[in-house]
Amino acid sequence: QVQLMQSGAEVKRPGSSVKVSCKASEGTFNSNSISWVRQAPGQGLEWMGRIIPIFDRTVYAQKFQGRVTFTADESTSTSYMELRSLTSEDTAVYFCTKVRGTAVSSPGMDIDTWGQGTLVIVSS
Amino acid sequence: DIVMTQSPDSLAVSLGERATINCKSSQSLLYGPNNKSYLAWYQQKPGQPPKLIIYWASSRESGVPDRFSGSGSGTDFTLTISSLQAEDVAVYYCHQYYSIFPTFGQGTRLEIK
Repeated sequence: QVQLMQSGAEVKRPGSSVKVSCKASEGTFNSNSISWVRQAPGQGLEWMGRIIPIFDRTVYAQKFQGRVTFTADESTSTSYMELRSLTSEDTAVYFCTKVRGTAVSSPGMDIDTWGQGTLVIVSS
Repeated sequence: DIVMTQSPDSLAVSLGERATINCKSSQSLLYGPNNKSYLAWYQQKPGQPPKLIIYWASSRESGVPDRFSGSGSGTDFTLTISSLQAEDVAVYYCHQYYSIFPTFGQGTRLEIK
């Protein structure tokens, strides 16, 4: 069964950047995509975007466009999420997730696996 | 973006009784060529990541107890737990993956009465 292991919690200053890693089981990137979803304290789930490693394609939610970058290293089966210009509103748990398939257009595919989450706290 | 609206926001059900959660999408999630609705349900327990329980609106993920079932098509969907167990206490989210920009419902908190 595919597992996603994320990097540890981070505390950041407003205006700085954070980079979260997500290591997947070997071979995961061959036929799947990685989406990033965040959850603010006590709140619901917010989709941030997706990377399709075998096509090197990314799709970002409009809200995060220009402020977030997803990358993937196929040699290590690791995906990264970098979020810049942090504010207190970015305090959240960030999840990497495995999306079944490599659809680049609508309709898409469901998320079947979640990482354990990475808590990012933005505070002065 | 497709807006997903769940009802109710919270629900208290007695052990052994039926629990029903509804989800409505602002656009149809039904894809004509394969007649599938691109709707999933997730269960999230405190301090844990969400867990997939239903996909294609009504297909149960492997290992999920058969007391969980999903129904609906197009814009209206339902998650039913036929006989509530203590371990089912959680927040449940519907999720549309039809759009290139997937979205989630706001969540429904399920508790024991």
